[in-house]
Amino acid sequence: KAGVTQTPRYLIKTRGQQVTLSCSPISGHRSVSWYQQTPGQGLQFLFEYFSETQRNKGNFPGRFSGRQFSNSRSEMNVSTLELGDSALYLCASRPGQGNEQYFGPGTRLTVT
Amino acid sequence: DAKTTQPNSMESNEEEPVHLPCNHSTISGTDYIHWYRQLPSQGPEYVIHGLTSNVNNRMASLAIAEDRKSSTLILHRATLRDAAVYYCILRFMIKAAGNKLTFGGGTRVLVKP
Repeated sequence: KAGVTQTPRYLIKTRGQQVTLSCSPISGHRSVSWYQQTPGQGLQFLFEYFSETQRNKGNFPGRFSGRQFSNSRSEMNVSTLELGDSALYLCASRPGQGNEQYFGPGTRLTVT
Repeated sequence: DAKTTQPNSMESNEEEPVHLPCNHSTISGTDYIHWYRQLPSQGPEYVIHGLTSNVNNRMASLAIAEDRKSSTLILHRATLRDAAVYYCILRFMIKAAGNKLTFGGGTRVLVKP
């Protein structure tokens, strides 16, 4: 099976712009979670989707949003980008009955 | 979420065992102990998880203290490929709690040839 894929892998944006990141989970996985990783804050949970519904949300401002489609693919959007949003954004999927999460390689976002 | 405490870094020689400790004194009876690792320039990778009994898989072993307030991840023969940051995470066992993982700082493992 193909692993979790994330596109694009690298992105450079300017302050004030918005960005959309995409995640395709492993085939058959219905749960998708998003994380932000920065050198200062480490890995932090953003939100989780299951069957197109947001099931859990981390402590991030409303500029961060996401959605999940009927094929389980997920997108996250960050509006009005700030320099501090520069980070590695990771997506993870989980099978219905399993405990482990499978992470993608991440999207490296740089905000200038 | 209950907190875990890990050493910042550890060094090991290639082909020797590595014992990675994790303290979780505030663990509740419904918390699973999970371990993930993150190799350089990659996303985290699941290693192992357990509840009360020791667990083994092809990657590692997990030894859980009888009172569950600490655990140890054991890499039996470290290879250069095992150089990574290892995270010990507690996760609420009920499926309805969702998939949120609360990562701490982890332990950076350096493997010397």
